[in-house]
Amino acid sequence: NAGVTQTPKFQVLKTGQSMTLQCAQDMNHNSMYWYRQDPGMGLRLIYYSASEGTTDKGEVPNGYNVSRLNKREFSLRLESAAPSQTSVYFCASRVAGSAYEQFFGPGTRLTVL
Amino acid sequence: KNQVEQSPQSLIILEGKNCTLQCNYTVSPFSNLRWYKQDTGRGPVSLTIMTFSENTKSNGRYTATLDADTKQSSLHITASQLSDSASYICVVSPPSGGGNKLTFGTGTQLKVEL
Repeated sequence: NAGVTQTPKFQVLKTGQSMTLQCAQDMNHNSMYWYRQDPGMGLRLIYYSASEGTTDKGEVPNGYNVSRLNKREFSLRLESAAPSQTSVYFCASRVAGSAYEQFFGPGTRLTVL
Repeated sequence: KNQVEQSPQSLIILEGKNCTLQCNYTVSPFSNLRWYKQDTGRGPVSLTIMTFSENTKSNGRYTATLDADTKQSSLHITASQLSDSASYICVVSPPSGGGNKLTFGTGTQLKVEL
């Protein structure tokens, strides 16, 4: 099993450009998540999908959109990138239920100039 | 103010020594408390998960303890190895939200040296 995979690993954008971060999991998990991690701050939830067909906002959703394409895939889109979106983005997934751990992908390091 | 605070911010120890990392939280009530290990350039990996009724949970050389009365948790690492060098993150899950909305600490950066 590959677990949680993310593409790309690195990306540099100019202000105003758009891009989509891809995430896929092969563990048959119901729930999927997008986080951002910034220096000196804990991971912050951007959006999540508790189950296929549903998406909900997290703590910092402004400037992002998501799509739960199917049970395996959950993408994050930046429509008009801003320097404040420079960050490391992590996708995670888990079996539904509060006691289950989240499994994280390797991350995408995004720089917006 | 962070709802999950960790100390120390960073720590350097010699290989073979033990260490203890602290986590103070204000999220209350909560469903469970987790410790994650994050290697540089990688995603976090779960070490332990404890419900509010558990006092201790071990995973090899890692032992987590929980005191719900004082709202403190600690992660004890025994006989440290170079591979233990990483950031250790304390995470609290409130009962609302079905485990989807976790509160992450900023982590303790541990470096193990020869």
